[in-house]
Parts: sequence; C-alpha cells; structure tokens
Amino acid sequence: EIVMTQSPATLSVSPGERATLSCRASQSVSSNLAWYQQKPGQAPRLLIYGASTRATGIPARFSGSGSGTEFTLTISSLQSEDFAVYYCQQYDNWPSYTFGQGTKLQIK
Amino acid sequence: QLQLQESGPGLVKPSETLSLTCTVSGGSISSSSYYWGWIRQPPGKGLEWIGSIYYSGSTDYNPSLKSRVTMSVDTSKNHFSLKLSSVTAADTAVYYCARQASGNDYWGQGTLVTVSS
Repeated sequence: EIVMTQSPATLSVSPGERATLSCRASQSVSSNLAWYQQKPGQAPRLLIYGASTRATGIPARFSGSGSGTEFTLTISSLQSEDFAVYYCQQYDNWPSYTFGQGTKLQIK
Repeated sequence: QLQLQESGPGLVKPSETLSLTCTVSGGSISSSSYYWGWIRQPPGKGLEWIGSIYYSGSTDYNPSLKSRVTMSVDTSKNHFSLKLSSVTAADTAVYYCARQASGNDYWGQGTLVTVSS
C-alpha cells in the first residue's frame, strides 16, 4: 500500500500571503496525484489532478507541482474562503487510491 | 450537471451490515471512462477510500476492509451500492460516494452512519 504523508498538520498563514503545503508518497506515484479542499460539513472538492492541472472552475491562485514522491500545493494569495483542510490523494494504482492525513490551513 | 446522492439507514447496530446506495443523475453510470467509489470520514478525522466499482461490476477494495466489503452496480437504475458487514463503532463515519477518474471530481453530499445499539 502506498502511504501518503502530508506536512505540516496545521499551517497558520495571514490572508493575502502565500501558503505552501507538502505531500510525500512512500513510493513513486509518477504524476498521479490529486489535491482536495474540504470545508466543515461539506464534501471534498477536487482542486488539482495530474499533480499540476487545475480542475474545472478552480482559481489560478491554486497551483500544484511535483512528481514521483514529492508534491506541493501552493496558494499564492490567500483569500478568506481558502481556510480549510487540504488532502492529497494518489491514484497511481488506479482504481485503488490512498489519501494523506490532511493539512489544516488556518488564519494567523 | 452530474449529481450523486447517498441513501440508507443512518443508524446500524453493532455486528450488523451497513447498506448504502448512491444514485447518479445527470449522467450515465455506464460510461466507460469512470469508476465509481465509496469514501468515508470518521468524525473529526481524515478520508479513507473504501472501494471502487466499474459499470461492468469489476471491483477493487481497500485491503484493510476487503473482508467485510461488497459493492454492486445496477445500471438499469443508474446506481451503485455498498455493503459493509460486521460493523463496530469504528465504522461510524460520513460515507461519501464519488465519481472516479483522475481523482474524484463529483461527490455526493455524504451521509452520516452511526453504529450503536
């Protein structure tokens, strides 16, 4: 089983600043990596797939990078609505997949 | 616009079987491009993939749950289902269904299932 590890567990950032979230895979997943945003009481929303492709309707301030075992989600200028929990997910051995444990992005 | 909706009992007794159905509207479950999956989230915790099913009935399950999970699909009703047997309090969670391609791009709203006597 591929284990996904996200860091940090909690990230405190001020509105307007940049946030950088990390995700590491226990073995290479190529570019088969997605990022999700989840707000309280809501289902997760797909932000990024293929490690760097924004999903439909996702603002350009969200960007993903990386391949193999190291991945990054960057939010360039945080808006109030961006404070949420973010999950990475590998789907390299599709249709099987695994999620990271999540990073909570909170207001500083 | 594709929509998914979970349905089923919100309360299940320990040792019994949890049964949920996901009804898909606004698109066909028989599309060759997608799998359809179940994901759960215990209160205050992260996401856990349970399993996925293709319209043909081909399945793949999380190894940690495989012995207790059965998924099925009914293309005539455009829905797919989950059964989880021998449940315990640890199976209390919000259960989501989702379309699966490169990531899960459409999700149901989720349904809370509580395991309690």
